[in-house]
Order: sequence, then structure tokens, then C-alpha cells
Amino acid sequence: EVQLVESGGGLVQPGGSLRLSCAASGFTFNNYAMSWVRQAPGKGLEWVSLVSGSGGGTTYADSVKGRFTISRDNSKNALYLRMNTLRVEDAAVYYCAKTQRSGSSTWFDNWGQGTLVTVSS
Amino acid sequence: SYDLTQPPSVSVSPGQTASITCSGDKLGNRYAFWYQQKPGQSPVLVMYQDTRRPSGIPERFSGSNTGNTATLTISGTQAMDEADYYCQAWDTTSVVFGGGTKLTVL
Repeated sequence: EVQLVESGGGLVQPGGSLRLSCAASGFTFNNYAMSWVRQAPGKGLEWVSLVSGSGGGTTYADSVKGRFTISRDNSKNALYLRMNTLRVEDAAVYYCAKTQRSGSSTWFDNWGQGTLVTVSS
Repeated sequence: SYDLTQPPSVSVSPGQTASITCSGDKLGNRYAFWYQQKPGQSPVLVMYQDTRRPSGIPERFSGSNTGNTATLTISGTQAMDEADYYCQAWDTTSVVFGGGTKLTVL
């Protein structure tokens, strides 16, 4: 059974930093891309970033480019999101998602329970 | 950037058919995906590559994608299907979600 468990969320001041983690189990981690998707309170889903199975390829939403860094440690079956220069609008539940890629399509077949990031002074 | 548009809300009576649409420029030329999210829960994939149901998703869920519109259809809608539904597509180097549709079963 696939399990994705996020951690690292919390309260941070605007301009601050935070690192999220996601512990994965139940599948061959390095065979799959992984992503972060966020959801602001009462709002819809917003894709944040994706990293390839090897960790060598990454892509970001324009809203976080240059401030967030996605990475993974395949020896630990772990996914990370380093978030710098946080803004009030970055406040959201952040989900870790196992990512399927086929041809020109990408989708998320398993999601974690999410970790809440609050950005406030 | 690529945009996907969904109706904010759809209502359906129990046992009837619900159709949730997702519109985007030439959406039929790319795959559409659908997620169900119940209050306080994480999203769940209910349809992938337009018409394919993941294991465990009931047969009453079906999908189509042609022209500029993808549609998620729920036949014989049940109270347990009440949820937010999001469509999603891939655009060059980024994932795009629709704004979501709240399905009310009443």
C-alpha cells in the first residue's frame, strides 16, 4: 500500500523559510516522479513543483520559481520542499503526490494527508 | 498559460446522472484527469487519461474528452459522491488544475 506522510509545516513569518518533508513507502520510490501540490484555505488545488525519479529534473510553477526548491533523497525514500522568502499567499495545505508520467501527460495517483503552512506576522 | 474552466457547482438528485465539465482550448488534444476531494480529506484520482478508471473507483464514474471539453459523468449518483471535483491537464512544463466543481447530491 502506498503511503505518503508529510511533515514540517507550521507558522512562519513573511519572508521566512521552511522545509517540508514527505516520507514515502509501499512503492519503488526512485521509479516515480514526485510532486508538491498546495491548497489555500477554502480554495482549489495548485500544482507547485515536480521532480523526476532520479532527482535530476525539476519544474516549478511560476508563482514559486526562484523561491522554492524541490529535492529528493532516494536512499531515504524522501521528498523535500525548501521554501524561502515566504509570502502570505503561500499559506496552504501542502500535499506530496506520487506522480505518473506517460508521453505528454502527468498526473497524481496517490496523495499524502497534507501539512499546513501558515504565513503570518 | 493554459486555463481550465469548471462550473463552480452542480446539483443532482440521488440516482440521477451528474455531468461535470472542464473546458480548455483544444483540451481534447491532450489528456484530462479528474480528482475527487471530500471535506477534510486529500484528493483522490477518479479518472485518468480521459476515460480510464483507477482500481477501486466505481463503474458509475466515466469520462470523455473531445473538442474543448472534458466531462466527468457519474451515473446513478449516490450521496457518497458529494464532493469537490477537479480536472487537471499537463501544459508543456506545468500541471494545470481547473478551479473545481462542488457536486451537491440532494
